[in-house]
Amino acid sequence: EAGVTQSPTHLIKTRGQQATLRCSPISGHTSVYWYQQALGLGLQFLLWYDEGEERNRGNFPPRFSGRQFPNYSSELNVNALELEDSALYLCASRLSGANVLTFGAGSRLTVL
Amino acid sequence: SQQGEEDPQALSIQEGENATMNCSYKTSINNLQWYRQNSGRGLVHLILIRSNEREKHSGRLRVTLDTSKKSSSLLITASRAADTASYFCATVSQGGSEKLVFGKGMKLTVNP
Repeated sequence: EAGVTQSPTHLIKTRGQQATLRCSPISGHTSVYWYQQALGLGLQFLLWYDEGEERNRGNFPPRFSGRQFPNYSSELNVNALELEDSALYLCASRLSGANVLTFGAGSRLTVL
Repeated sequence: SQQGEEDPQALSIQEGENATMNCSYKTSINNLQWYRQNSGRGLVHLILIRSNEREKHSGRLRVTLDTSKKSSSLLITASRAADTASYFCATVSQGGSEKLVFGKGMKLTVNP
């Protein structure tokens, strides 16, 4: 069974540009979570999608947005990139009713 | 905002020794989970303990939960060099948000 897959693995952008990160959950998982892991700051909750709807949002500005598609894959968009957006972005999926998250390997975004 | 706080932030031990990591949290929880992360990759779920449980075992892992003190500990017995990783506690708060909030993590180094 394929795990959670994220793309791209690495992404380099410059300030002001836009970045799009993608996540495919485990087959059958309907919930997708996005976390930001900046150096030394642990995992910061960004967004939670379930059944195509945004269910919860972390304390991030509106330039962080996303969506979940009918096949439950998800996209995270970051507009007007700032240097401090450089981080590892982790996607995780969860089976409805389950407690445990399964993480992807992450997408490392570098903003120059 | 962080819910869990791991303590110590870094621990270095010799192979064969036991490693104990502590986690404190702030709100009432449904469950507490421990995850492991190798070298900035995705997180892997280790063990889950529910709010009505006090202790749980899984292989060389032992986790305890004290809801009166809002704290948990993870014990890794007979550590191995391969246990070198960052360890995170994560909580799901009561109230049904189903949002998993992570601590900042603790870096464990097991020296051969």
